Amino acid sequence: SQQGEEDPQALSIQEGENATMNCSYKTSINNLQWYRQNSGRGLVHLILIRSNEREKHSGRLRVTLDTSKKSSSLLITASRAADTASYFCATGSGYSTLTFGKGTMLLVSP
Amino acid sequence: GAGVSQSPSNKVTEKGKDVELRCDPISGHTALYWYRQSLGQGLEFLIYFQGNSAPDKSGLPSDRFSAERTGGSVSTLTIQRTQQEDSAVYLCASSKGLAGGNEQFFGPGTRLTVL
Repeated sequence: SQQGEEDPQALSIQEGENATMNCSYKTSINNLQWYRQNSGRGLVHLILIRSNEREKHSGRLRVTLDTSKKSSSLLITASRAADTASYFCATGSGYSTLTFGKGTMLLVSP
Repeated sequence: GAGVSQSPSNKVTEKGKDVELRCDPISGHTALYWYRQSLGQGLEFLIYFQGNSAPDKSGLPSDRFSAERTGGSVSTLTIQRTQQEDSAVYLCASSKGLAGGNEQFFGPGTRLTVL
């Protein structure tokens, strides 16, 4: 079964609005990563947050991690049409590979 | 330097034929992964190579699938006697050091269509 489950499955917003995506997972992790995928091809790494961190920022991205609730959120502020993509969370347990969720499809309309 | 490259970018084959997909990881990356992504789905882990250790093949869906990594660099994923359900985008990724603890760099993928 999938370790990470993103919510919502799809999100449609206007340019300038904020987009929030959530990820829940089941087992212990040592890090959680968010990736973006355009046009069903290769994924691009956005941000990595370790299990001892609660919040991390990168440009317009803000990621939070709540290990007690086994959940993470990705916030994209002041969204742009170019942010339109699928966003995946992936959990890592150190020695194993990453386990990806099914993703959230984000559509940002001009 | 160059990113992860994969070839071919698209492959159309007939059911029952064998196919080979190639991945060139980033130079110096010790870990290499293969994933499969069906339309509108997440990534399904297939196999993982880390340095000189035995590969983790736990994600391979059947014995028709195999992969090798020569000289700790280039990897080839082979699918024998392809079936229509094998149609998907096959993604390769590489990372420094330990898997699961590091950022993975993805190639553009190979879109496989089995007729």
